[in-house]
Amino acid sequence: TQTVSQSDAHVTVFEGDSVELRCNYSYGGSIYLSWYIQHHGHGLQFLLKYYSGNPVVQGVNGFEAEFSKSDSSFHLRKASVHWSDSAVYFCAVSLNYNQGKLIFGQGTKLSIKP
Amino acid sequence: DAAVTQKPRYLIKMKGQEAEMKCIPEKGHTAVFWYQQKQSKELKFLIYFQNQQPLDQIDMVKERFSAVCPSSSLCSLGIRTCEAEDSALYLCSSSPDWGRNTLYFGAGTRLSVL
Repeated sequence: TQTVSQSDAHVTVFEGDSVELRCNYSYGGSIYLSWYIQHHGHGLQFLLKYYSGNPVVQGVNGFEAEFSKSDSSFHLRKASVHWSDSAVYFCAVSLNYNQGKLIFGQGTKLSIKP
Repeated sequence: DAAVTQKPRYLIKMKGQEAEMKCIPEKGHTAVFWYQQKQSKELKFLIYFQNQQPLDQIDMVKERFSAVCPSSSLCSLGIRTCEAEDSALYLCSSSPDWGRNTLYFGAGTRLSVL
């Protein structure tokens, strides 16, 4: 059974700071990894995904994520956060053969201080 | 704004009542997924349709829910007898057949069971 773990329930940084949101997964086969953002009162929006190739993938709004097979991780980063980045971020795994059924992590709430 | 439309946004039911929520997938998308989210925590997969046919669903859905996609432009999720534990945000998402690991979410229907 594959699992997704986001160890930080809540992260707080100042506007303009860099941030890294952590995601670790457990599964040995071919998988898709993705990140989604959920603003308060809204559904989820796709940020980026990884399947193969360059382990660093670029997403929307300056976000990027780096895949590490050795660490079983897919951490999300942003060099300089904006107040509008305040939201809950979800990491998700899907198996190659059933790509649409996503297994989500618990979510990390990112709060931005002015 | 979400291209996936969900109605109603809010639904209040008494314990034992029937509930129904609707989803209009993004035009041209052939896969539809329903997820349940409690208290902004991780999303729980409920059921998956491909070309209007249910391909995967969890036991809870088989036992107490009713879900159909009578057309490519309308799906519905129903709860035959609401229980307090069903209080949650129900998120519908769709994806094009060629990119089933990227989901487009609606804003959700928030169900409160009193």
